[in-house]
Amino acid sequence: NAGVTQTPKFQVLKTGQSMTLQCAQDMNHEYMSWYRQDPGMGLRLIHYSVGAGITDQGEVPNGYNVSRSTTEDFPLRLLSAAPSQTSVYFCASSRGDVEKLFFGSGTQLSVL
Amino acid sequence: AQSVTQLDSQVPVFEEAPVELRCNYSSSVSVYLFWYVQYPNQGLQLLLKYLSGSTLVESINGFEAEFNKSQTSFHLRKPSVHISDTAEYFCAVRNSGNTGKLIFGQGTTLQVKP
Repeated sequence: NAGVTQTPKFQVLKTGQSMTLQCAQDMNHEYMSWYRQDPGMGLRLIHYSVGAGITDQGEVPNGYNVSRSTTEDFPLRLLSAAPSQTSVYFCASSRGDVEKLFFGSGTQLSVL
Repeated sequence: AQSVTQLDSQVPVFEEAPVELRCNYSSSVSVYLFWYVQYPNQGLQLLLKYLSGSTLVESINGFEAEFNKSQTSFHLRKPSVHISDTAEYFCAVRNSGNTGKLIFGQGTTLQVKP
């Protein structure tokens, strides 16, 4: 099993550019989420989904969009990148609502 | 709204000493509580969780955490740490009414010294 696959692993953007971080899981998990990890701030929830066609905002949703057209995929879109979005992004999935999260390997994003 | 506070950003301790990593949460409803660990250059892994029942939960590698509703706390303890326990530890909470919304604390770096 591949588990949770995130691409790309590294990305450098210029301010104002847009891009999509891809996340796919092959475990048939209903629950998926996106977090960003910054030093001293832990993981902050950006958006999450409890099933295909259902998404909701987390703690820091501004500047990001998501969609969940299939169970497997949960892409994160940066609409107009800003230096404040420089971070490490993690996608996660779980089988159930209080089951353990399976994390992807992360995307290190730098916005210049 | 739910929130989590980890009171210590870094905890240095000598090998074989006991350790406690503190976690307090804020919620007006019942909660589910978790501890995750991130070893250097690795992803997060679930260490233990409290859903209901016994307030003391244990992990397979000797950590335990106790849910204290009156103190709104879920502190993580280990009676004797090893060098290999050096990692960053994250407490997380989900309100019973917020399906899928897991909120993490700021993290505590445990530094075990020989």
